[in-house]
Amino acid sequence: NAGVTQTPKFRVLKTGQSMTLLCAQDMNHEYMYWYRQDPGMGLRLIHYSVGEGTTAKGEVPDGYNVSRLKKQNFLLGLESAAPSQTSVYFCASSYGATDTQYFGPGTRLTVL
Amino acid sequence: DAKTTQPTSMDCAEGRAANLPCNHSTISGNEYVYWYRQIHSQGPQYIIHGLKNNETNEMASLIITEDRKSSTLILPHATLRDTAVYYCIVRADNAGNNRKLIWGLGTSLAVNP
Repeated sequence: NAGVTQTPKFRVLKTGQSMTLLCAQDMNHEYMYWYRQDPGMGLRLIHYSVGEGTTAKGEVPDGYNVSRLKKQNFLLGLESAAPSQTSVYFCASSYGATDTQYFGPGTRLTVL
Repeated sequence: DAKTTQPTSMDCAEGRAANLPCNHSTISGNEYVYWYRQIHSQGPQYIIHGLKNNETNEMASLIITEDRKSSTLILPHATLRDTAVYYCIVRADNAGNNRKLIWGLGTSLAVNP
């Protein structure tokens, strides 16, 4: 039981490049979330999903897109990366809307 | 969701109890108090949560005041591995508010040998 895994762990992009971050969970959770964490700020919710095939905007969705084609996977896409998107990205999942969220190890993204 | 206030940093001697306070004076009747921690460079980890009664699990104890305006997370015998940032979050336990976990800056706990 791996829990929540994230791929890749580190990435450096140039401004304007695109990339996709992959989150996978093996706990059969319905809910999945993408957060970003910046120095001096708490975690902020980017997008979330309440089940396969559904997505919704969180607190800071601009510049990101997501997809949940399979229940166990939640993808975060950056179509045209900007330096302001340099951050640590965390994925989380929970069984239900009110259940404990379990987090992945994070992806450290630098946009030059 | 209610806002929480925590000290920026605290120190604790190894083997002693670590008591981390949290103020949530605007908490509503249906809002739970959650505690997570984040060890350096790792994802946040759930510790414990409660509504009005004190709670205990294998990791910690949670003491909530009778008026529910503040709470204390207690690590009974802190170890070096407990050095982390501890987040106190209040959240209404209904589906509509679940996705709005409001994360503050937490308390940076340093456990010293």
